[in-house]
Amino acid sequence: AQSVTQLGSHVSVSEGALVLLRCNYSSSVPPYLFWYVQYPNQGLQLLLKYTTGATLVKGINGFEAEFKKSETSFHLTKPSAHMSDAAEYFCAVRQTGANNLFFGTGTRLTVIP
Amino acid sequence: DTGVSQDPRHKITKRGQNVTFRCDPISEHNRLYWYRQTLGQGPEFLTYFQNEAQLEKSRLLSDRFSAERPKGSFSTLEIQRTEQGDSAMYLCASSLAGQDKNIQYFGAGTRLSVL
Repeated sequence: AQSVTQLGSHVSVSEGALVLLRCNYSSSVPPYLFWYVQYPNQGLQLLLKYTTGATLVKGINGFEAEFKKSETSFHLTKPSAHMSDAAEYFCAVRQTGANNLFFGTGTRLTVIP
Repeated sequence: DTGVSQDPRHKITKRGQNVTFRCDPISEHNRLYWYRQTLGQGPEFLTYFQNEAQLEKSRLLSDRFSAERPKGSFSTLEIQRTEQGDSAMYLCASSLAGQDKNIQYFGAGTRLSVL
């Protein structure tokens, strides 16, 4: 069975500091991997995705993530946090051939001025 | 392209009442998904349509839940005899089969509160 683990339900960083949000998955074969962001009372917005090809993927708002097969990880990073980055971040996987996304429990990012 | 639209944004109802939510997908998208998100959790898959056919249903979708997509465009999700445990955000997503690995685009959701 597949699962997604997001270490740290809450992460706080200072404005301008590095953002690192962790995601590990368990799957028999490498799935498709996604990061979504959710602002209060809003739906989910796709930040970035890994499907095939280059393992370092760049997304919107300066975020990037690296797929590491050996570590079954897909951690999200941003070099310098902005106040506007404060939101809930969800890592999700989709098995090849499957239709639904399977989400982690989310990480709430707080940016301290 | 106006994105995925959901209506209403908020719904408050009394236990035992029926409620219906609507989702309008991105116009050219032939796949439509419903998810449920409870407080502090990630979204959980409920059901999926390709065109008008409902191809997959989660075990979370009890008999009180029914979803339709009659003309392969908008979809409705109905909950009968609501229970307090149904309180959640109901998210709709759509995708175009075969495009960009079926990336799913989400609407803003309908937040249901059952009193």
